[in-house]
Amino acid sequence: GAVVSQHPSRVICKSGTSVKIECRSLDFQATTMFWYRQFPKQSLMLMATSNEGSKATYEQGVEKDKFLINHASLTLSTLTVTSAHPEDSSFYICSAPSGGTDTQYFGPGTRLTVL
Amino acid sequence: QQQVKQSPQSLIVQKGGISIINCAYENTAFDYFPWYQQFPGKGPALLIAIRPDVSEKKEGRFTISFNKSAKQFSLHIMDSQPGDSATYFCAASIAGGGNKLTFGTGTQLKVEL
Repeated sequence: GAVVSQHPSRVICKSGTSVKIECRSLDFQATTMFWYRQFPKQSLMLMATSNEGSKATYEQGVEKDKFLINHASLTLSTLTVTSAHPEDSSFYICSAPSGGTDTQYFGPGTRLTVL
Repeated sequence: QQQVKQSPQSLIVQKGGISIINCAYENTAFDYFPWYQQFPGKGPALLIAIRPDVSEKKEGRFTISFNKSAKQFSLHIMDSQPGDSATYFCAASIAGGGNKLTFGTGTQLKVEL
């Protein structure tokens, strides 16, 4: 299957700093990518849809000024958590549909810990 | 209307047994139903998926059963193995909905020796 990578796999930062997470589709192009947040023992919650060449679409309740998304190319989307606080600590996962199909491939996730 | 309800929340099965996880949905516009497997600290991995035009799909030890009239679908894991111990999520998406997935709440499966 198609491969999606994320970097970094884990990051620890101080409260008030910003953190950037990268999501790459390694062997296919993705005009759309999705960003999820997952708290321990919970399901994935969709945060936003990243669109290449246009603005991201955010789900209700997600602060777009706090979670900045940039879809720089057909293989790269970035999520920047600005002014991070301990409550932003979570597992962030991206996904991308492959080849115009419904099949979505997920990245390995990024564990963010805000101290 | 966008919810996908999943049960049970947790499941313990003996090695060699059958694991069954159920999901139900309300939105009849859903037309793609994948199942994902997630190990701790990892991203979800696609296991198997089905569309409403078939009632069953089998891939190896994994089978999806789909009941369109009841708006329910289930995952059956035959000959369950300790390596199958993971969290399983059902999901659904709408054609033309931009591939946006709606996830179930997850089932934590433990397969005991």
